[in-house]
Amino acid sequence: GAVVSQHPSWVICKSGTSVKIECRSLDFQATTMFWYRQFPKQSLMLMATSNEGSKATYEQGVEKDKFLINHASLTLSTLTVTSAHPEDSSFYICSARDLAHPTDTQYFGPGTRLTVL
Amino acid sequence: SQKIEQNSEALNIQEGKTATLTCNYTNYSPAYLQWYRQDPGRGPVFLLLIRENEKEKRKERLKVTFDTTLKQSLFHITASQPADSATYLCALLKAAGNKLTFGGGTRVLVKP
Repeated sequence: GAVVSQHPSWVICKSGTSVKIECRSLDFQATTMFWYRQFPKQSLMLMATSNEGSKATYEQGVEKDKFLINHASLTLSTLTVTSAHPEDSSFYICSARDLAHPTDTQYFGPGTRLTVL
Repeated sequence: SQKIEQNSEALNIQEGKTATLTCNYTNYSPAYLQWYRQDPGRGPVFLLLIRENEKEKRKERLKVTFDTTLKQSLFHITASQPADSATYLCALLKAAGNKLTFGGGTRVLVKP
């Protein structure tokens, strides 16, 4: 149980285009999902907290107009990188907290590798 | 400012030995401390959670200790195997429902 999927697993796009990444909790419901970014040889940095049915909460320094987050259901959150630039190239990972098990354990997706040319 | 430090140098260890990793934090009073495993190109996988009022937690060959006075957690992998080779991340949670803050991770390499 407690599986989180991400799609796509990798994407290459041209500078200036937008890319959407999906995060799904497959066998549990998640009112809260988190989006992280990880650069090579660095740790995960939280970008935003996504709450079902409400606006996301962004961390300091993360542009909300550039990284659009939508959490339309208890099993799906999407991150859209708008007008992507090469510096947005990174490993994007989502996680979800299981509503039925309030132990604050987060289950992570496998990540999406974004390369902006 | 809040800081979570893990040894950035890789830990090379012989198969069968115990690997010990440290996680130190400053300017922080976490309610929970968690350890995750991350393989290259993959998302982290949850291993263990320990609460502030717990001293030690075990799961199979893994053991975690939590010393809130020293502001330190130790993570042990006993009888290590080459399959244990990965990066191990500690993460702190200030209170229930809050966000996780991750350390930089320590890479472990178990040699046969």
